[in-house]
Amino acid sequence: SQTIHQWPATLVQPVGSPLSLECTVEGTSNPNLYWYRQAAGRGLQLLFYSVGIGQISSEVPQNLSASRPQDRQFILSSKKLLLSDSGFYLCAWSVAITGELFFGEGSRLTVL
Amino acid sequence: GEDVEQSLFLSVREGDSSVINCTYTDSSSTYLYWYKQEPGAGLQLLTYIFSNMDMKQDQRLTVLLNKKDKHLSLRIADTQTGDSAIYFCAPRSYQKVTFGTGTKLQVIP
Repeated sequence: SQTIHQWPATLVQPVGSPLSLECTVEGTSNPNLYWYRQAAGRGLQLLFYSVGIGQISSEVPQNLSASRPQDRQFILSSKKLLLSDSGFYLCAWSVAITGELFFGEGSRLTVL
Repeated sequence: GEDVEQSLFLSVREGDSSVINCTYTDSSSTYLYWYKQEPGAGLQLLTYIFSNMDMKQDQRLTVLLNKKDKHLSLRIADTQTGDSAIYFCAPRSYQKVTFGTGTKLQVIP
């Protein structure tokens, strides 16, 4: 069966520090991968999605970046965090024809 | 891009039916999903409907789609306290899935 792992679960970082959140999927191949952010207002904002290795589509211009070095690995990064980067980050994958997303448990980032 | 709107809050009594509404803008949406998020947790897929369908029923859940008006609804019959959560409408257009703001459902015992 397919599983998705996302870490770290909780992160507290100072402003200006770097960020790396990692997501891996097991039990499937060539998934579409997604990063969403959920801020305090609850809505989910699509940040990046990827349909294959090295293929990244950015939805929102900001100081975050994403990379997909392997088929089932998706990394969210920042060189210098801002206070506004605080939030709940969710990784997701999809592959079926119906394309539903399956989410990881999320990473809560607090920037101080 | 796609805009998805939902009312922010809904309160119902246990045993009543809940209806959560959603409007979207992208007519090329093919699949439309409903997700549930419990406090502090990730999102769980509840159900979905394909754009060529008007209705889909799955146990206590009924999804209605009015494609002409770009309106989607989720009805939960016999609402229980365990249904308290945030519910997200999420239409899919090609590879992108856009989420609404979420509707927080409060179930009063």
